[in-house]
Amino acid sequence: GAGVSQSPRYKVAKRGQDVALRCDPISGHVSLFWYQQALGQGPEFLTYFQNEAQLDKSGLPSDRFFAERPEGSVSTLKIQRTQQEDSAVYLCASSLPGGTYEQYFGPGTRLTVT
Amino acid sequence: GESVGLHLPTLSVQEGDNSIINCAYSNSASDYFIWYKQESGKGPQFIIDIRSNMDKRQGQRVTVLLNKTVKHLSLQIAATQPGDSAVYFCAENGGATNKLIFGTGTLLAVQP
Repeated sequence: GAGVSQSPRYKVAKRGQDVALRCDPISGHVSLFWYQQALGQGPEFLTYFQNEAQLDKSGLPSDRFFAERPEGSVSTLKIQRTQQEDSAVYLCASSLPGGTYEQYFGPGTRLTVT
Repeated sequence: GESVGLHLPTLSVQEGDNSIINCAYSNSASDYFIWYKQESGKGPQFIIDIRSNMDKRQGQRVTVLLNKTVKHLSLQIAATQPGDSAVYFCAENGGATNKLIFGTGTLLAVQP
């Protein structure tokens, strides 16, 4: 399909391990967002890219979280030295540039840290 | 799998009834609002949006009402169907980067 895809869909990590989560946005979508969704909560913003430029990373909870989008298409969210509180669903969304274009979400990656 | 509906306010309606889901937003400067539907194990799905220069917008079976005076948003679903069962989130745009700020969410349970 032509939607946002994310991989892996599920990831179990032992505390202290590093993980990498991938997002493939809709082709041609310039803007890419990462959100974190804890169980029973709404998604919370982590970071935003316009093309390859990371314009807003104000939502990243610690310096263990790092995101990149080197060629302005696929993005990777990396979490170093995972902690139990990192357990959540990580959602990626993409949109066309502009003031009010809707964001299209992927299915998310469910991360469980044991 | 786990439900995203745990610990959420719940609205239970009969199939065929109309549903009204309410949301309070935080920032009086927000100029764009969206309603999303999220089914278990899936990402949020766009339902309808509205800009702050409007107070009502209609889609297919859905209507969004915006009251800027009290910073309140509502989603009305006509003739609710079992397939409408999901968690519904309102979201407002937050800043120049258009990041979305989501509300708590409401679990809509449709009884056949």
